[in-house]
Amino acid sequence: DTEVTQTPKHLVMGMTNKKSLKCEQHMGHRAMYWYKQKAKKPPELMFVYSYEKLSINESVPSRFSPECPNSSLLNLHLHALQPEDSALYLCASSQAQGETQYFGPGTRLLVL
Amino acid sequence: SQQGEEDPQALSIQEGENATMNCSYKTSINNLQWYRQNSGRGLVHLILIRSNEREKHSGRLRVTLDTSKKSSSLLITASRAADTASYFCATDSNSGYALNFGKGTSLLVTP
Repeated sequence: DTEVTQTPKHLVMGMTNKKSLKCEQHMGHRAMYWYKQKAKKPPELMFVYSYEKLSINESVPSRFSPECPNSSLLNLHLHALQPEDSALYLCASSQAQGETQYFGPGTRLLVL
Repeated sequence: SQQGEEDPQALSIQEGENATMNCSYKTSINNLQWYRQNSGRGLVHLILIRSNEREKHSGRLRVTLDTSKKSSSLLITASRAADTASYFCATDSNSGYALNFGKGTSLLVTP
């Protein structure tokens, strides 16, 4: 099983809403990632969790709050987003540092 | 941060032809990966090539790596309409975890 799942597939939210994106993998991977991708651009790293601890935060605004409840789950809590935060949010996981990253299908977020 | 740069940015070919995409990077790497992304979907991993490897094959895909030139190429042979997608190269970062993606090549294969 090399699948990373993400929910929801699509999300529309207002600037005052609070929502969460969810990501799950059952491959026993110990590193999990959040990327943001704007249209016609490459993915940009937001956060890396290694062994359930936040190891990298790429200077992401505090309106994005990651959480890793256990080794299989990764959440991204959203609050007071801006319209420019509209993008495809991709989750990925890898067995270890430097190994292949497996991506989920993404959540397409629209902030109104 | 972005390290890989693919060229061409866009490529249009007919079914059956071969497609070649190139990627250049700036700093030393441990490995380089190629991914495919269909419009608005997640990325699909194609091949990982390590810095001590020069060539790797997977089905109709052939990847080469020249660390002296800091470049890699992805060759898709006998292309199919289903190969239409964006292709990204990605290199590992100093942290070892994050991937630095290139800008991508948009491939269109017409029947």
